[in-house]
Amino acid sequence: NAGVTQTPKFRILKIGQSMTLQCTQDMNHNYMYWYRQDPGMGLKLIYYSVGAGITDKGEVPNGYNVSRSTTEDFPLRLELAAPSQTSVYFCASSSRQVNYEQYFGPGTRLTVT
Amino acid sequence: GEDVEQSLFLSVREGDSSVINCTYTDSSSTYLYWYKQEPGAGLQLLTYIFSNMDMKQDQRLTVLLNKKDKHLSLRIADTQTGDSAIYFCAEGDTGRRALTFGSGTRLQVQP
Repeated sequence: NAGVTQTPKFRILKIGQSMTLQCTQDMNHNYMYWYRQDPGMGLKLIYYSVGAGITDKGEVPNGYNVSRSTTEDFPLRLELAAPSQTSVYFCASSSRQVNYEQYFGPGTRLTVT
Repeated sequence: GEDVEQSLFLSVREGDSSVINCTYTDSSSTYLYWYKQEPGAGLQLLTYIFSNMDMKQDQRLTVLLNKKDKHLSLRIADTQTGDSAIYFCAEGDTGRRALTFGSGTRLQVQP
């Protein structure tokens, strides 16, 4: 199993540009999450999904959108990038079968200038 | 709302024990977690404890939970230089199954 994979690893965006951060898991987990980690801080929940077709906002959803058309994929969309979105983005997945332990991807480091 | 607090920095000498402390506010949390993050890397789950337990031991790691005071601690015995990292405490909510993280404690191990 590859676990949770994220692409790209690094990205520099100009203000106002758009991009999609990809996240895929091959563990058949029904729960998936997007977190952001600002420098010197813990992770904050952006969006989460409890299964295909179901998504909901976390604590910091403004400026982002998500979709969950399949169990495996949970892309995060930034429509109009702003400097405040400079952060490291982590995707995670979990399920009842693993006692809801969250498996994290390696992260995407995004800089908006 | 949920809030998890940790001290920012801890420095110990190699071979000593390290104790990292955390307080949380959500009394309905089912699981409490400790994650380790090395520079430029993702998060590695170290251990977790169910809210109905007081203590869990896993090799060099001991987790203590005081539910009355909502206080969680992680003790690392015989701390090594490879243990230098940031340690995050996190609580899991029973609805979304999402995690609320503290800001992390930077552990520095001096040779």
